[in-house]
Amino acid sequence: GESVGLHLPTLSVQEGDNSIINCAYSNSASDYFIWYKQESGKGPQFIIDIRSNMDKRQGQRVTVLLNKTVKHLSLQIAATQPGDSAVYFCAETLPYGQNFVFGPGTRLSVLP
Amino acid sequence: DAGVIQSPRHEVTEMGQEVTLRCKLISGHNSLFWYRQTMMRGLELLIYFNNNVPIDDSGMPEDRFSAKMPNASFSTLKIQPSEPRDSAVYFCASRLTGVRTGELFFGEGSRLTVL
Repeated sequence: GESVGLHLPTLSVQEGDNSIINCAYSNSASDYFIWYKQESGKGPQFIIDIRSNMDKRQGQRVTVLLNKTVKHLSLQIAATQPGDSAVYFCAETLPYGQNFVFGPGTRLSVLP
Repeated sequence: DAGVIQSPRHEVTEMGQEVTLRCKLISGHNSLFWYRQTMMRGLELLIYFNNNVPIDDSGMPEDRFSAKMPNASFSTLKIQPSEPRDSAVYFCASRLTGVRTGELFFGEGSRLTVL
C-alpha cells in the first residue's frame, strides 16, 4: 500500500550522491524533533532525533541540522542508496509533550 | 520482539458497516497512539493513551469513532457506522513513556476502504 500520494514534494538524486531533505516546523516552542522514514506499504521508522539544545546530530550516513531561528530542520543522507527511496517525515513535539506532529513528508527517489 | 502488530492489514467494507481495527503493543510499552494517514491530510493523531487511560482524543473525527484499551497490551479502534471518507491507512504506534527518547514504534498499518 502507498503511504502518501501524488502531491508530495519529490527529491530525485543519483545513487551515490548526498541528499538533503528539508522541513519547516510549526511551533517555536517545540523542543524535540524526529525524522522518520516510510517505505511503501510500511509504517514510519525512526531514523534520528535531535533536541532543541543542539544544532547538529550525526548518525550512520545521516545528519540532522536544526535552525531554531527560522524553524527549519534538515536531514542529510550521505552516499544515497536505492534502499533510501522512501517518504521522509519530520515530527516535532512540545516540552513534556506526548503528541508528535508530523510534517507533510518528502518523497526521495534514488536514480540508478 | 515482534513489534507493534496490527490487524487486519486490509479491510474493504460497505458504507454503514462497523469496522474494528486492532493493535497489540510492544511488550513493556505503556503508551499507545492511533494515527490516520491520507493523501490530503498526511499523518494525523487520532487519540493516545498512557497506562490504558485516554489522554487526548481531540483528533477523533466524531462520535462514530471510538478507541479502547481493555488491557495494557491491546487496543481497538472502532468506526460505526463507517463512511467513504473514513478510507485511509490507520497506524498504531507505541512507546515507553518516561524514557524521553521520542521513539514511536509504528505497526504496518491497516488500510481501510469504505465503499
